[in-house]
Amino acid sequence: NAGVMQNPRHLVRRRGQEARLRCSPMKGHSHVYWYRQLPEEGLKFMVYLQKENIIDESGMPKERFSAEFPKEGPSILRIQQVVRGDSAAYFCASSPPDRFYTQYFGPGTRLTVL
Amino acid sequence: DQQVKQNSPSLSVQEGRISILNCDYTNSMFDYFLWYKKYPAEGPTFLISISSIKDKNEDGRFTVFLNKSAKHLSLHIVPSQPGDSAVYFCAASGSDFGNEKLTFGTGTRLTIIP
Repeated sequence: NAGVMQNPRHLVRRRGQEARLRCSPMKGHSHVYWYRQLPEEGLKFMVYLQKENIIDESGMPKERFSAEFPKEGPSILRIQQVVRGDSAAYFCASSPPDRFYTQYFGPGTRLTVL
Repeated sequence: DQQVKQNSPSLSVQEGRISILNCDYTNSMFDYFLWYKKYPAEGPTFLISISSIKDKNEDGRFTVFLNKSAKHLSLHIVPSQPGDSAVYFCAASGSDFGNEKLTFGTGTRLTIIP
């Protein structure tokens, strides 16, 4: 059973460009979470999605950030008009739809904004 | 407001001895707690979890203790091995939130001295 997959692993963008980060959950997992880790900090929750639904986006910046988890295909975290402060590691986690479950994380995408 | 706190940024332990990592939380609605281990440039790897109905959970060399009255949990690793050198994150979630998003501590860097 393949783990959570994320791509790309490294992404370099210039200020003002768009960044698209992809996450494929583990087989059988219907819940996807995105977290961000800034340098020297812990992981911070961004958004929680199920297929075709955003359940909780309370951790997402109000502007420029959006996420989706379509019926088919990976979950996408999209950052428009990136700024230097967006440079971070972005992690995706997935879990099955049961209470007291464990979230399993992907390897992360390291975004660098020049 | 840091709801999950790991007050020791680093810890060094001799190989073969016990490593004890500590975590405190402030939100009484948290009812599920997890420990993750993280190597540089990789995603967090799940180690062990505990729900609030228990006060101890053991898995091989890893044991997690939960003291609800003190809002404190700890991870014991015994015996410690060189491969245990990593950053350890404590995380918590609560059923009252409506979803299972995790709140992370800032991590403790564990170094095992051969």
